[in-house]
Amino acid sequence: DVKVTQSSRYLVKRTGEKVFLECVQDMDHENMFWYRQDPGLGLRLIYFSYDVKMKEKGDIPEGYSVSREKKERFSLILESASTNQTSMYLCASSSGQGTTDTQYFGPGTRLTVL
Amino acid sequence: GQNIDQPTEMTATEGAIVQINCTYQTSGFNGLFWYQQHAGEAPTFLSYNVLDGLEEKGRFSSFLSRSKGYSYLLLKELQMKDSASYLCAAMDSNYQLIWGAGTKLIIKP
Repeated sequence: DVKVTQSSRYLVKRTGEKVFLECVQDMDHENMFWYRQDPGLGLRLIYFSYDVKMKEKGDIPEGYSVSREKKERFSLILESASTNQTSMYLCASSSGQGTTDTQYFGPGTRLTVL
Repeated sequence: GQNIDQPTEMTATEGAIVQINCTYQTSGFNGLFWYQQHAGEAPTFLSYNVLDGLEEKGRFSSFLSRSKGYSYLLLKELQMKDSASYLCAAMDSNYQLIWGAGTKLIIKP
């Protein structure tokens, strides 16, 4: 079974703090993704990565950055957290092979910025 | 623009059948995914359709009509554990997923 883990289930931070969210997958997947999920909205893609040290902007990259130094690990960084970044953050990975490229999700991190 | 529409909420009775509809507009199309998400948990993969027609997987079936930009998820013999949100996502020409907001399904005894 694919396993995607995230460093924290719940996180509370203050405005202006730098926040690191870590994601690790154990299936040697090429692709990794960071989404945020807010009530009434679909999953919105923040950043994704197709390979080590490679990153691509998604639909809402502003205020975020990412790092992929190892294949299994993809980090999301909030340089200076703001209250509008309070959300559920979901990490996903996929094999990157073929069009039926199912994404597998981690349990999510619910971030509250005060 | 790219868009996915699905109902916000549906209610059904235990043991019954429910159909959750999804319409999509994307730049190119490389398939339609359905995921299940229980409250506070991660989305889990249910089905993938890229060709027209019905795919059956146990109590769950998924249908696709590419010409109509339409899909549905059919759940039979509903159980209380099926209470969850069901997310529809279409894959565009860049192999990116465009997500609907999800349909919250409430099952009543």
